[in-house]
Amino acid sequence: NAGVMQNPRHLVRRRGQEARLRCSPMKGHSHVYWYRQLPEEGLKFMVYLQKENIIDESGMPKERFSAEFPKEGPSILRIQQVVRGDSAAYFCASSPTNEQYFGPGTRLTVT
Amino acid sequence: RKEVEQDPGPFNVPEGATVAFNCTYSNSASQSFFWYRQDCRKEPKLLMSVYSSGNEDGRFTAQLNRASQYISLLIRDSKLSDSATYLCVVNANTDKLIFGTGTRLQVFP
Repeated sequence: NAGVMQNPRHLVRRRGQEARLRCSPMKGHSHVYWYRQLPEEGLKFMVYLQKENIIDESGMPKERFSAEFPKEGPSILRIQQVVRGDSAAYFCASSPTNEQYFGPGTRLTVT
Repeated sequence: RKEVEQDPGPFNVPEGATVAFNCTYSNSASQSFFWYRQDCRKEPKLLMSVYSSGNEDGRFTAQLNRASQYISLLIRDSKLSDSATYLCVVNANTDKLIFGTGTRLQVFP
């Protein structure tokens, strides 16, 4: 049973470009969560999704960030017009019920 | 006040030592509690859930005190491979996890 998969593992974008981060949950898991970890800081919740539904996006910045989890395919976290402050590790987690299991993360670097 | 507070450490201990970490949380409505482990620049890995009755998994023992709103993790007979950052994590029944900033443990030979 493959774990949570994320790609790409590393992503470099110039300021103003778009970043797309993908997450495939563990087989059988229907809940997906995105977290961001800034350098030297703890993980911060961003958004919680189920298939075709955003359940809680209270941690998402109001502008430039969006997330989806379509009926088919991976969950996507999209960051438009990236800025240097978006440089961070973005982790996706999936869950069958209560415990969350994390993917390896995408390290975004904005130059 | 942070929602989940931990001593950042580092805790430097010799192999074989017993080490304990504490964590406090501010939301009395919190329902679920966990310890995760994070190795440098990698994803957090679930170490154990924490129950009111306390629970043990090999060398690791977790305790929860709801009245005082603190959680503890005890590691016995430390191994070099235990060196990592230990994250105290709380779920206030809203499905999102609230992470502490972690306690760094370094086990030396």
